[in-house]
Amino acid sequence: AQSVTQPDIHITVSEGASLELRCNYSYGATPYLFWYVQSPGQGLQLLLKYFSGDTLVQGIKGFEAEFKRSQSSFNLRKPSVHWSDAAEYFCAVGINDYKLSFGAGTTVTVRA
Amino acid sequence: EAQVTQNPRYLITVTGKKLTVTCSQNMNHEYMSWYRQDPGLGLRQIYYSMNVEVTDKGDVPEGYKVSRKEKRNFPLILESPSPNQTSLYFCASSPGRQGPVGQYFGPGTRLTVT
Repeated sequence: AQSVTQPDIHITVSEGASLELRCNYSYGATPYLFWYVQSPGQGLQLLLKYFSGDTLVQGIKGFEAEFKRSQSSFNLRKPSVHWSDAAEYFCAVGINDYKLSFGAGTTVTVRA
Repeated sequence: EAQVTQNPRYLITVTGKKLTVTCSQNMNHEYMSWYRQDPGLGLRQIYYSMNVEVTDKGDVPEGYKVSRKEKRNFPLILESPSPNQTSLYFCASSPGRQGPVGQYFGPGTRLTVT
């Protein structure tokens, strides 16, 4: 059965520092991969997605993610975080666009 | 504005009292889904629909019903709510046959069942 693991429940990072959020998945084939962000009290917003091709994908808000097939990982990165990046981040995987499995989420706190 | 709307945004009800949470999208999307979000569990899919009159169970369908009579609407029905259905619920939609582009999410409905 497919599964998505986000090993870090909570990460605290200083404003201006780099950020990396981990995502590992277990799937029978290479699935479609997504990262979503949920700001407090808000719905989920798509940050970026990977289907095929270049394994380094760029998203909105200055985020990027790298797909590593050998490690079954799709880690999210940002070189320099802003206070507005404080939110909960979810990794999601699926073989189509209507049935996704989500990780448990990583909460990011940004300190001044 | 392209969006997914949900109503109500907040709902407190009692055990056993039937309720419906509405979901509507204005993007002519084929696919629609319902999720529940619980702390430490992320989002879990309840039901999804690939088109009008085509629905299927997700990972946690027990205690829920859905219908898709119109392309834009996908209501979630709790026939006899119980306290373990207290959760944050999200509706989502995606284009469908155009290829996977990710899902668009509504703002959420916070449901409390006492």
